[in-house]
Amino acid sequence: DSGVTQTPKHLITATGQRVTLRCSPRSGDLSVYWYQQSLDQGLQFLIQYYNGEERAKGNILERFSAQQFPDLHSELNLSSLELGDSALYFCASTHGVFGISSQQQFFGPGTRLTVL
Amino acid sequence: AQKVTQAQTEISVVEKEDVTLDCVYETRDTTYYLFWYKQPPSGELVFLIRRNSFDEQNEISGRYSWNFQKSTSSFNFTITASQVVDSAVYFCALSEPMEYGNKLVFGAGTILRVKS
Repeated sequence: DSGVTQTPKHLITATGQRVTLRCSPRSGDLSVYWYQQSLDQGLQFLIQYYNGEERAKGNILERFSAQQFPDLHSELNLSSLELGDSALYFCASTHGVFGISSQQQFFGPGTRLTVL
Repeated sequence: AQKVTQAQTEISVVEKEDVTLDCVYETRDTTYYLFWYKQPPSGELVFLIRRNSFDEQNEISGRYSWNFQKSTSSFNFTITASQVVDSAVYFCALSEPMEYGNKLVFGAGTILRVKS
């Protein structure tokens, strides 16, 4: 158990809908990363938050957004869903953003999103 | 840009055989970190090893061993006396520094099937 929790575990929805994925980082970890694992693109970085602020963006669609709340949990919002958004979405956390503490990312169990 | 190549898409072995999973990476950084993750059929990402660029010593952990060679930019993973429980997708990853933190750049993964 990594200490990172993600809910829900599975999510099935229809095209055009909006969903929210939730992530709680390990206790004390300030940085949260979101990754998407799809058949087409493999595992790729989406976005990073550190202590409530967005710090980096990867290959994240404009229909997707995220935020990190004062209690450090993070939510990934996916809107106007398309079939191609079906994927496994992982959240990872680290304590710091510099040095060795930033190198070990602890992954949650993932949320499997199916868009029908 | 950083890149990780896992040329073996799928490998099938019979139990007790040794198997090596290849990983080749590209980076311009002199300091970097390499990782291996295991993704069993249940879907979670299981951390196996982290290695920094200054430590070229090979590492052994039980039936697992890793061979890091900077000269060939490779970080190969060997499972000795494979078992059915080793069946999974294995990902090699490279840590890419960002302004705040590090993102992981993953290879495409190698599917390992161990047959009894």
